Amino acid sequence: EAQVTQNPRYLITVTGKKLTVTCSQNMNHEYMSWYRQDPGLGLRQIYYSMNVEVTDKGDVPEGYKVSRKEKRNFPLILESPSPNQTSLYFCASSFGQDYSPLHFGNGTRLTVT
Amino acid sequence: AQSVTQLDSHVSVSEGTPVLLRCNYSSSYSPSLFWYVQHPNKGLQLLLKYTSAATLVKGINGFEAEFKKSETSFHLTKPSAHMSDAAEYFCVVSDFDRGSTLGRLYFGRGTQLTVWP
Repeated sequence: EAQVTQNPRYLITVTGKKLTVTCSQNMNHEYMSWYRQDPGLGLRQIYYSMNVEVTDKGDVPEGYKVSRKEKRNFPLILESPSPNQTSLYFCASSFGQDYSPLHFGNGTRLTVT
Repeated sequence: AQSVTQLDSHVSVSEGTPVLLRCNYSSSYSPSLFWYVQHPNKGLQLLLKYTSAATLVKGINGFEAEFKKSETSFHLTKPSAHMSDAAEYFCVVSDFDRGSTLGRLYFGRGTQLTVWP
């Protein structure tokens, strides 16, 4: 089944403790991206990647890192999480043309205390 | 810079009545435009996309959207609402000229659709 898989679905952590949210897709998509969703703000793009080893900042990259060493994986890294990073995070992928639809994962709800 | 404005944060309709969710955009390009739907505790799913000269776009589940360049609008409609349409809807604009590679995407803040029986 074609899908984007995020792990974990729920994560509670403390300020400053490094964490990684994994994202994997099995559709051979070139394009992958991360979003955070906050009430009243919609989705905001954190980082995106056009292909392996190619990443770019989105609207809200501060406090986040990404890497794209393999086509199928695009992990989101929070080196030193803070409470303002408490949010619902989505990973998405597509073939990369501007008309290609995004396929979304089911989300990761992160709480930083 | 690109931006998307969804004009209503909440829309309530009765089952069987028409749905109108409004979206205006600004873009330096001739962008691609999308509508996505999010059901509770789920990721987003594509409803429809505008990428061609056809200004009226048909999507899944009976939804349509009309691209009006002069009004920079891309409103989503459905003739008859169903209870299963209750969800949050997002209008999205791409960063690049139509036909280019996908880059940054800009999401509206969402419209919560409530459908009353």
